[in-house]
Amino acid sequence: EDQVTQSPEALRLQEGESSSLNCSYTVSGLRGLFWYRQDPGKGPEFLFTLYSAGEEKEKERLKATLTKKESFLHITAPKPEDSATYLCAVQAGKDSSYKLIFGSGTRLLVRP
Amino acid sequence: DTGVSQDPRHKITKRGQNVTFRCDPISEHNRLYWYRQTLGQGPEFLTYFQNEAQLEKSRLLSDRFSAERPKGSFSTLEIQRTEQGDSAMYLCASSLPVNTEAFFGQGTRLTVV
Repeated sequence: EDQVTQSPEALRLQEGESSSLNCSYTVSGLRGLFWYRQDPGKGPEFLFTLYSAGEEKEKERLKATLTKKESFLHITAPKPEDSATYLCAVQAGKDSSYKLIFGSGTRLLVRP
Repeated sequence: DTGVSQDPRHKITKRGQNVTFRCDPISEHNRLYWYRQTLGQGPEFLTYFQNEAQLEKSRLLSDRFSAERPKGSFSTLEIQRTEQGDSAMYLCASSLPVNTEAFFGQGTRLTVV
């Protein structure tokens, strides 16, 4: 069964303290890996899509990387406004299913 | 605002009542998805439309749940005979046929009392 696991569940950082969030996946045929940011009481906001091992994408202080088993979301010199839950999701399977399978997320708190 | 729109944002209902939620996707998006999210968990897939055709349904979607997308535009999700376990955030998302990233609405928070 396709599965996505995120770690840690929660992470507290001081402003400027860089770190990485992990998303490991077990799927039958990865077609895409997605990162979303979610603020409390709101819907997920799209950040990145990665399609193949070795691919990297960057946006401001965020950088996403992908290997054959996991993805990392690197946060460089975070600011308090980066505090949110970061969700990882995969699209998998040989058929034409477009559903996303999500992990439980990492709750990030950046303290000033 | 050209994002995905959901209505209502909040709904409180008594157990046993029926509720209906509406989703208006981004105008040029032909794919529309419904997800459910409970506290501390990631969204769980419920169902997916391409234009007006419902192409996939999760086993989570019991016979009390029904979704429609008439004319391939907005969509509705109805829950009949609501139960306390139905309390969750119901999220709608849409995407283009070429790019697969989905864009989410702000969700409808359902509380069944």
